[in-house]
Amino acid sequence: AQSVSQHNHHVILSEAASLELGCNYSYGGTVNLFWYVQYPGQHLQLLLKYFSGDPLVKGIKGFEAEFIKSKFSFNLRKPSVQWSDTAEYFCAVSAYSGGGADGLTFGKGTHLIIQP
Amino acid sequence: DADVTQTPRNRITKTGKRIMLECSQTKGHDRMYWYRQDPGLGLRLIYYSFDVKDINKGEISDGYSVSRQAQAKFSLSLESAIPNQTALYFCATSSSGGANEQFFGPGTRLTVL
Repeated sequence: AQSVSQHNHHVILSEAASLELGCNYSYGGTVNLFWYVQYPGQHLQLLLKYFSGDPLVKGIKGFEAEFIKSKFSFNLRKPSVQWSDTAEYFCAVSAYSGGGADGLTFGKGTHLIIQP
Repeated sequence: DADVTQTPRNRITKTGKRIMLECSQTKGHDRMYWYRQDPGLGLRLIYYSFDVKDINKGEISDGYSVSRQAQAKFSLSLESAIPNQTALYFCATSSSGGANEQFFGPGTRLTVL
């Protein structure tokens, strides 16, 4: 079974600071990788996803993530954060078996607070 | 209109009561999922269904049951609710092909007293 580890549970940054949230997974086979965001009081929304191809993927709102297979990592980055980026961020992995996959395995989340 | 809806949005119940949470989707997806979210634990999979006749247990299925009444409907039941089932419950859907991107409903906040 796969597992996902997010290194930071709480991160506080000032506006315009650069952001990097770490995510590592454990699974030996082919995986699909996701970052979801949950704004206060809202449901989860997809930020970006990696299926195959270019390991640097770009998502919405200026976020990007890089898949490094040798490190089993999929870190989320944003060069300059805004106050509206305050939210909970979840990394998730889906083991891909060709015919589809089971449910997602989520990390425990990172609570990001951006101070004005 | 929301693609994935959940009812109720909030529910307070007492220990020992039976409760059902419902999920409907208009995305035409085959696959549906139930997760619970607890602070500091992220989301954990309870049950998932690949089609009406296919139900599978997830990581934490004990104390829960599900019913896939139709392609568009997937309900979660707590036969005898207990306080540690207090959580935020999310339904999600995905298509059967491709790489399993999931779309989430707004959540049901359940409190068991």
